[in-house]
Amino acid sequence: AQKVTQAQTEISVVEKEDVTLDCVYETRDTTYYLFWYKQPPSGELVFLIRRNSFDEQNEISGRYSWNFQKSTSSFNFTITASQVVDSAVYFCALSEALGAAGNKLTFGGGTRVLVKP
Amino acid sequence: GAGVSQSPSNKVTEKGKDVELRCDPISGHTALYWYRQSLGQGLEFLIYFQGNSAPDKSGLPSDRFSAERTGGSVSTLTIQRTQQEDSAVYLCASSLVLTYGYTFGSGTRLTVV
Repeated sequence: AQKVTQAQTEISVVEKEDVTLDCVYETRDTTYYLFWYKQPPSGELVFLIRRNSFDEQNEISGRYSWNFQKSTSSFNFTITASQVVDSAVYFCALSEALGAAGNKLTFGGGTRVLVKP
Repeated sequence: GAGVSQSPSNKVTEKGKDVELRCDPISGHTALYWYRQSLGQGLEFLIYFQGNSAPDKSGLPSDRFSAERTGGSVSTLTIQRTQQEDSAVYLCASSLVLTYGYTFGSGTRLTVV
Protein backbone atom coordinates (compact mmCIF):
# COMPACT_ATOMS: atom_id res chain seq x y z
CA ALA A 1 0.00 0.00 0.00
CA GLN A 2 1.12 3.53 -0.67
CA LYS A 3 1.62 6.03 2.10
CA VAL A 4 2.72 9.65 2.29
CA THR A 5 3.83 11.23 5.53
CA GLN A 6 4.18 14.93 6.19
CA ALA A 7 5.45 15.01 9.72
CA GLN A 8 5.13 18.77 10.13
CA THR A 9 1.53 19.76 10.73
CA GLU A 10 2.19 23.49 10.99
CA ILE A 11 5.15 25.79 10.40
CA SER A 12 5.21 29.45 11.31
CA VAL A 13 7.87 31.77 9.88
CA VAL A 14 8.49 35.46 9.51
CA GLU A 15 8.46 36.92 6.04
CA LYS A 16 11.70 36.46 4.10
CA GLU A 17 12.70 33.37 6.03
CA ASP A 18 13.18 30.12 4.15
CA VAL A 19 10.90 27.20 4.97
CA THR A 20 11.34 23.53 4.11
CA LEU A 21 8.46 21.09 4.06
CA ASP A 22 9.26 17.44 4.52
CA CYS A 23 7.60 14.60 2.65
CA VAL A 24 8.38 10.91 3.05
CA TYR A 25 6.64 8.28 0.99
CA GLU A 26 6.24 4.52 0.84
CA THR A 27 5.46 2.49 -2.25
CA ARG A 28 6.26 -0.91 -3.69
CA ASP A 29 6.11 0.41 -7.23
CA THR A 30 9.30 1.05 -9.14
CA THR A 31 7.58 3.64 -11.30
CA TYR A 32 5.58 6.30 -9.54
CA TYR A 33 4.90 10.01 -9.51
CA LEU A 34 5.23 12.56 -6.75
CA PHE A 35 3.36 15.83 -6.53
CA TRP A 36 3.08 18.94 -4.44
CA TYR A 37 -0.14 20.91 -4.20
CA LYS A 38 -0.89 24.21 -2.51
CA GLN A 39 -4.25 24.89 -0.86
CA PRO A 40 -4.66 28.60 -0.07
CA PRO A 41 -7.44 29.83 2.23
CA SER A 42 -9.78 29.94 -0.77
CA GLY A 43 -9.75 26.14 -0.69
CA GLU A 44 -8.79 25.25 -4.24
CA LEU A 45 -5.89 22.83 -4.63
CA VAL A 46 -3.25 24.28 -6.92
CA PHE A 47 -0.81 21.98 -8.70
CA LEU A 48 2.82 22.96 -8.12
CA ILE A 49 5.01 20.18 -9.43
CA ARG A 50 5.11 16.58 -10.62
CA ARG A 51 8.20 14.39 -10.53
CA ASN A 52 8.53 10.84 -11.79
CA SER A 53 10.56 8.23 -9.97
CA PHE A 54 13.27 8.10 -12.62
CA ASP A 55 14.05 11.78 -12.46
CA GLU A 56 16.02 12.64 -9.36
CA GLN A 57 17.15 16.03 -10.54
CA ASN A 58 16.33 18.79 -8.15
CA GLU A 59 14.15 21.51 -9.56
CA ILE A 60 13.88 25.22 -8.95
CA SER A 61 11.00 27.40 -10.00
CA GLY A 62 11.34 30.96 -8.81
CA ARG A 63 11.35 30.88 -5.01
CA TYR A 64 10.31 27.23 -4.94
CA SER A 65 12.69 24.30 -5.05
CA TRP A 66 12.28 20.58 -4.66
CA ASN A 67 14.74 17.95 -3.46
CA PHE A 68 13.92 14.40 -4.50
CA GLN A 69 16.02 11.68 -2.85
CA LYS A 70 15.00 8.18 -3.80
CA SER A 71 17.46 6.65 -1.35
CA THR A 72 15.55 8.13 1.57
CA SER A 73 12.11 8.12 -0.13
CA SER A 74 11.80 11.84 0.38
CA PHE A 75 10.54 14.69 -1.75
CA ASN A 76 11.08 17.87 0.19
CA PHE A 77 9.90 21.34 -0.80
CA THR A 78 11.61 24.61 0.07
CA ILE A 79 10.19 28.10 -0.20
CA THR A 80 12.97 30.66 -0.27
CA ALA A 81 12.42 34.18 1.06
CA SER A 82 8.85 33.41 2.08
CA GLN A 83 6.06 35.90 1.54
CA VAL A 84 2.70 36.34 3.22
CA VAL A 85 1.00 35.04 0.06
CA ASP A 86 2.76 31.71 0.63
CA SER A 87 0.52 31.10 3.64
CA ALA A 88 -1.42 27.98 2.78
CA VAL A 89 -1.63 24.25 3.39
CA TYR A 90 0.79 22.28 1.27
CA PHE A 91 0.16 18.68 0.33
CA CYS A 92 2.57 16.09 -0.93
CA ALA A 93 1.03 13.28 -2.96
CA LEU A 94 2.01 10.01 -4.61
CA SER A 95 0.57 8.20 -7.60
CA GLU A 96 1.39 4.85 -9.11
CA ALA A 97 2.29 4.61 -12.75
CA LEU A 98 -0.27 5.34 -15.44
CA GLY A 99 -2.59 2.49 -16.10
CA ALA A 100 -6.03 1.02 -15.77
CA ALA A 101 -5.43 0.41 -12.08
CA GLY A 102 -6.13 4.05 -11.54
CA ASN A 103 -4.26 7.29 -11.38
CA LYS A 104 -5.49 8.18 -7.97
CA LEU A 105 -3.38 10.23 -5.62
CA THR A 106 -2.45 9.27 -2.10
CA PHE A 107 -2.06 12.48 -0.14
CA GLY A 108 -0.05 13.29 2.93
CA GLY A 109 -1.79 14.99 5.81
CA GLY A 110 -0.63 18.42 4.73
CA THR A 111 1.55 21.07 6.32
CA ARG A 112 0.05 24.43 7.19
CA VAL A 113 2.49 27.26 6.53
CA LEU A 114 1.87 30.59 8.18
CA VAL A 115 4.05 33.45 7.02
CA LYS A 116 3.88 36.46 9.29
CA PRO A 117 4.72 39.95 8.04
CA GLY B 1 -14.97 26.21 -19.17
CA ALA B 2 -11.66 27.54 -18.03
CA GLY B 3 -11.56 25.48 -14.86
CA VAL B 4 -13.30 22.67 -13.02
CA SER B 5 -16.66 23.87 -11.81
CA GLN B 6 -18.47 22.39 -8.83
CA SER B 7 -21.95 23.08 -7.55
CA PRO B 8 -23.26 23.87 -5.10
CA SER B 9 -20.35 25.47 -3.28
CA ASN B 10 -22.07 24.87 0.04
CA LYS B 11 -24.78 22.44 1.01
CA VAL B 12 -26.43 21.97 4.37
CA THR B 13 -28.68 18.96 4.64
CA GLU B 14 -30.54 17.08 7.31
CA LYS B 15 -29.37 13.68 8.40
CA GLY B 16 -31.06 10.98 6.36
CA LYS B 17 -31.63 13.10 3.25
CA ASP B 18 -30.04 12.39 -0.14
CA VAL B 19 -27.71 14.92 -1.78
CA GLU B 20 -26.29 15.33 -5.27
CA LEU B 21 -23.03 17.12 -5.95
CA ARG B 22 -22.14 18.19 -9.45
CA CYS B 23 -18.82 18.52 -11.25
CA ASP B 24 -18.17 20.09 -14.63
CA PRO B 25 -14.64 19.15 -15.72
CA ILE B 26 -12.44 21.08 -18.06
CA SER B 27 -13.60 20.53 -21.60
CA GLY B 28 -11.71 17.69 -23.26
CA HIS B 29 -10.34 16.22 -20.04
CA THR B 30 -10.98 12.50 -20.20
CA ALA B 31 -10.15 11.70 -16.58
CA LEU B 32 -12.34 12.82 -13.70
CA TYR B 33 -11.79 12.21 -10.00
CA TRP B 34 -13.71 12.75 -6.80
CA TYR B 35 -11.93 13.25 -3.48
CA ARG B 36 -13.16 14.03 -0.02
CA GLN B 37 -11.39 16.30 2.44
CA SER B 38 -12.37 16.04 6.08
CA LEU B 39 -10.70 17.03 9.33
CA GLY B 40 -10.23 13.53 10.57
CA GLN B 41 -9.30 11.74 7.36
CA GLY B 42 -7.45 14.30 5.28
CA LEU B 43 -7.76 14.00 1.52
CA GLU B 44 -9.24 10.69 0.41
CA PHE B 45 -9.77 9.31 -3.06
CA LEU B 46 -13.37 8.33 -3.78
CA ILE B 47 -13.83 7.44 -7.45
CA TYR B 48 -12.13 7.82 -10.81
CA PHE B 49 -13.56 7.93 -14.34
CA GLN B 50 -11.38 7.53 -17.41
CA GLY B 51 -13.03 7.83 -20.79
CA ASN B 52 -15.47 4.99 -21.42
CA SER B 53 -13.76 2.57 -19.07
CA ALA B 54 -15.49 1.21 -15.99
CA PRO B 55 -14.91 3.62 -13.10
CA ASP B 56 -12.56 2.81 -10.25
CA LYS B 57 -14.89 2.90 -7.26
CA SER B 58 -12.41 1.51 -4.77
CA GLY B 59 -12.46 4.61 -2.58
CA LEU B 60 -16.20 4.90 -2.01
CA PRO B 61 -16.69 4.51 1.75
CA SER B 62 -20.07 2.78 1.64
CA ASP B 63 -22.87 1.75 -0.69
CA ARG B 64 -24.63 5.01 0.17
CA PHE B 65 -22.16 6.70 -2.16
CA SER B 66 -22.44 6.48 -5.91
CA ALA B 67 -21.31 8.53 -8.87
CA GLU B 68 -21.95 8.71 -12.55
CA ARG B 69 -20.49 10.54 -15.46
CA THR B 70 -22.76 11.31 -18.36
CA GLY B 71 -21.46 11.67 -21.89
CA GLY B 72 -17.90 11.64 -20.69
CA SER B 73 -18.31 15.10 -19.23
CA VAL B 74 -20.41 16.15 -16.24
CA SER B 75 -20.30 13.97 -13.14
CA THR B 76 -22.70 13.69 -10.24
CA LEU B 77 -21.76 12.30 -6.83
CA THR B 78 -24.80 11.10 -4.89
CA ILE B 79 -24.87 10.40 -1.19
CA GLN B 80 -27.98 8.64 0.04
CA ARG B 81 -29.29 8.77 3.60
CA THR B 82 -26.60 11.23 4.65
CA GLN B 83 -24.88 10.82 8.00
CA GLN B 84 -23.03 13.38 10.08
CA GLU B 85 -19.71 11.72 9.25
CA ASP B 86 -20.34 12.56 5.60
CA SER B 87 -19.71 16.21 6.42
CA ALA B 88 -16.65 17.22 4.43
CA VAL B 89 -15.47 19.14 1.41
CA TYR B 90 -15.97 17.11 -1.75
CA LEU B 91 -13.40 17.95 -4.40
CA CYS B 92 -13.58 17.12 -8.07
CA ALA B 93 -10.57 17.14 -10.38
CA SER B 94 -9.97 16.47 -14.04
CA SER B 95 -6.96 15.85 -16.19
CA LEU B 96 -6.03 15.25 -19.79
CA VAL B 97 -3.14 12.99 -18.92
CA LEU B 98 -1.43 12.39 -15.60
CA THR B 99 1.65 14.18 -16.85
CA TYR B 100 0.12 17.57 -16.29
CA GLY B 101 -1.29 16.92 -12.86
CA TYR B 102 -4.88 17.34 -11.89
CA THR B 103 -6.88 20.54 -11.97
CA PHE B 104 -9.11 20.68 -8.93
CA GLY B 105 -12.37 22.51 -8.49
CA SER B 106 -13.10 24.66 -5.47
CA GLY B 107 -15.14 21.92 -3.87
CA THR B 108 -18.55 21.52 -2.31
CA ARG B 109 -18.69 21.92 1.44
CA LEU B 110 -21.30 19.49 2.74
CA THR B 111 -22.64 19.85 6.25
CA VAL B 112 -25.01 17.24 7.59
CA VAL B 113 -27.01 18.42 10.59
